[in-house]
Amino acid sequence: DADVTQTPRNRITKTGKRIMLECSQTKGHDRMYWYRQDPGLGLRLIYYSFDVKDINKGEISDGYSVSRQAQAKFSLSLESAIPNQTALYFCATSDFETSGRNEQYFGPGTRLTVT
Amino acid sequence: GESVGLHLPTLSVQEGDNSIINCAYSNSASDYFIWYKQESGKGPQFIIDIRSNMDKRQGQRVTVLLNKTVKHLSLQIAATQPGDSAVYFCAEKGGESYNKLIFGAGTRLAVHP
Repeated sequence: DADVTQTPRNRITKTGKRIMLECSQTKGHDRMYWYRQDPGLGLRLIYYSFDVKDINKGEISDGYSVSRQAQAKFSLSLESAIPNQTALYFCATSDFETSGRNEQYFGPGTRLTVT
Repeated sequence: GESVGLHLPTLSVQEGDNSIINCAYSNSASDYFIWYKQESGKGPQFIIDIRSNMDKRQGQRVTVLLNKTVKHLSLQIAATQPGDSAVYFCAEKGGESYNKLIFGAGTRLAVHP
């Protein structure tokens, strides 16, 4: 979706390097998420943020950190990249709905390779 | 990308046939479910959702069925088209207030002419 953009789209980096993946959204949503996707494992939640002052760990946060610079921006950092962090990374956003729905809108993804 | 579809269960159908993709979910307290479609090189895209107080919901060419007794969700696609070829994920949201989604591993749908 053009409403959720991710940069870079592809990145190759070396073990031990620090790398940042960026996500921007124009949907005006408060909630933003970072997932990684590995073959056969579906999407796994790394971190999520329900507003600028709220950051929460997901199921696989070790080795990652995030920063919510503004409502529209949520970046993911790998402090010291390792090969098993090679994966597809997706950013997503959602709006709070009192009905309990949680439709998340995904960016196009970043393919990260750590050599 | 295409590597997402590797190692996943694959459903192969002929163009024009109906497709049924199944999903078993884990949390009996889950109160909301979504089906996503992911085409090669793209992020997941919302297809249809259903709340736990319903057992069926229909969209355009798609129907989601929910069986809470056996914790089973299915996505039915009518008159499957080549453009339906993708990986399909189900996701559940627990009853907790923080609204996180838990995704299944996915099923690859291959539509043959």
